[in-house]
Amino acid sequence: AQRVTQPEKLLSVFKGAPVELKCNYSYSGSPELFWYVQYSRQRLQLLLRHISRESIKGFTADLNKGETSFHLKKPFAQEEDSAMYYCALRRSRSQGNLIFGKGTKLSVKP
Amino acid sequence: EPEVTQTPSHQVTQMGQEVILRCVPISNHLYFYWYRQILGQKVEFLVSFYNNEISEKSEIFDDQFSVERPDGSNFTLKIRSTKLEDSAMYFCASSSDTAKHYEQYFGPGTRLTVT
Repeated sequence: AQRVTQPEKLLSVFKGAPVELKCNYSYSGSPELFWYVQYSRQRLQLLLRHISRESIKGFTADLNKGETSFHLKKPFAQEEDSAMYYCALRRSRSQGNLIFGKGTKLSVKP
Repeated sequence: EPEVTQTPSHQVTQMGQEVILRCVPISNHLYFYWYRQILGQKVEFLVSFYNNEISEKSEIFDDQFSVERPDGSNFTLKIRSTKLEDSAMYFCASSSDTAKHYEQYFGPGTRLTVT
């Protein structure tokens, strides 16, 4: 069965510190991996996807198929990065439902 | 920028009652989804809908649940006889093959409380 694991419920860092939000997945095929973010009182929104290899708001994530990981990183956290972050897996575009992890709450302190 | 909208934002109902949660997807989108999130738990997929029929559903989506696209704009989730364990946040999402990588756009959610 497909599963996404985010081991940390809460991650608290100081402004300017590096951030790494962990995500591991289990799936026998070649999935698409995503990071979604939910700021306070806002809707879930896509932050980035592995196939785009992009950096959004200073965040990057590299898919490591050997370790089945898709960790989210940012070298210097900002207070506005405080939010819930969800890692999600999609088996393929034709099977579009997302399988989410439990989420990590990132708190960036001044 | 177009957004997915959901109504109501909060619904309180008694156990055994029927509820209908409403969603208006982004107008040119073709794929529609319902997810739910029980408090403190992960966001879980319920059902996907394309071309006026269910394309995939999870184990959660049993006979108590149904979806409908009654007109060109609304997408509804009906729970026939609500149980206490149906209390959750319900999210609608939509996507399109013209959206980059079939990105799913989420609504703000409906909080369902079953008493």
